[in-house]
Amino acid sequence: EAGVAQSPRYKIIEKRQSVAFWCNPISGHATLYWYQQILGQGPKLLIQFQNNGVVDDSQLPKDRFSAERLKGVDSTLKIQPAKLEDSAVYLCASSQSTSDSHYQPQHFGDGTRLSIL
Amino acid sequence: GQQLNQSPQSMFIQEGEDVSMNCTSSSIFNTWLWYKQDPGEGPVLLIALYKAGELTSNGRLTAQFGITRKDSFLNISASIPSDVGIYFCAGRRGQLTFGSGTQLTVLP
Repeated sequence: EAGVAQSPRYKIIEKRQSVAFWCNPISGHATLYWYQQILGQGPKLLIQFQNNGVVDDSQLPKDRFSAERLKGVDSTLKIQPAKLEDSAVYLCASSQSTSDSHYQPQHFGDGTRLSIL
Repeated sequence: GQQLNQSPQSMFIQEGEDVSMNCTSSSIFNTWLWYKQDPGEGPVLLIALYKAGELTSNGRLTAQFGITRKDSFLNISASIPSDVGIYFCAGRRGQLTFGSGTQLTVLP
């Protein structure tokens, strides 16, 4: 089974520029997550999709971050404009359709490492 | 927000030794998970625990879901060099909350 695919692997931009990340989840996985992992910390959830709908975006900085999953498969995460504190690894994860009473573990991609100069 | 306290922050052990790490929280969780992350890669699921008191093994790894639902531990027996990496606990109550990780170094 192919894993979660993410691109690019690395991105270096200057502050105030824009950047976009792409994720292709495991085939058949209805639930998709974007996490931010700052160096030395565990991943922090930014947004969760169920098919093409947003389930939870309470921790997404909506003034600069946006995400979409228009056809319920691939997803993109955008930052515009970037700040220095956005330097982190952005991880995408997917799972089979999950609910609070029937949890399906998440499978992670290898992430995009973003450096802001 | 929900906070997880993971300890120790780092460990240096000799090959063949056993390892123990744990996570505690002031919040109750419905699921506990343990992940391992190697440099440049995403976290990989090791063990998932779904019921309070549950004890689950995966090869040399054993993990338990604390009876109070506020803690979990992970044991690794007879460590080998490829056990090197960062181990994260994660508790689920709605969304996943991750600990800050335990960096494990195995010395030959």
